[in-house]
Amino acid sequence: DQQVKQNSPSLSVQEGRISILNCDYTNSMFDYFLWYKKYPAEGPTFLISISSIKDKNEDGRFTVFLNKSAKHLSLHIVPSQPGDSAVYFCAAHGTYGGSQGNLIFGKGTKLSVKP
Amino acid sequence: DVKVTQSSRYLVKRTGEKVFLECVQDMDHENMFWYRQDPGLGLRLIYFSYDVKMKEKGDIPEGYSVSREKKERFSLILESASTNQTSMYLCASSSSGTSGRPTDTQYFGPGTRLTVL
Repeated sequence: DQQVKQNSPSLSVQEGRISILNCDYTNSMFDYFLWYKKYPAEGPTFLISISSIKDKNEDGRFTVFLNKSAKHLSLHIVPSQPGDSAVYFCAAHGTYGGSQGNLIFGKGTKLSVKP
Repeated sequence: DVKVTQSSRYLVKRTGEKVFLECVQDMDHENMFWYRQDPGLGLRLIYFSYDVKMKEKGDIPEGYSVSREKKERFSLILESASTNQTSMYLCASSSSGTSGRPTDTQYFGPGTRLTVL
């Protein structure tokens, strides 16, 4: 059963506009969430994270919002640039069972930013 | 600067061959991970290790084994490669922080694209 879901496999946005990538999770024990960005033929790189005690974290053009009651987080990119075109993975972490330290990844959303 | 390296970027092997994928990190991280990435399936955890000589199964360990003889090196072994193991393999590492609990940010290597014919 998928604990971290990215329901949109792809997203296309015009350069300069806002990109919104969504992620839902099912396990209320998750206490930390991360976004990774991956270009083809490269490993994922860490982008931004948020702790469950916060509802917003901002870093330059990237903002992550967390809605704990809805078990939903989103990544906003403003303004979007062609270099942002990549696959974005949402990941969650929780201290439970034998999985301490393990990240649970969503399936990814491929963002295309068109000039 | 954080550095995770993987021995090969591209690898082509034949069915039944034994395959070794090597991963080295230079950050003195305690924790190391092996994932595979397939289209539509995201990143799936194969094995992980929290310490030297220690290993734990991830979500899809079947057909794989691992070795961690030194802190900086984590090897993934395909004992007898099969075509369904054609995939992108990603190694990652993370630190444990002062509490001993693995911290959350994992640093990834560039990946190895393995093709099994």
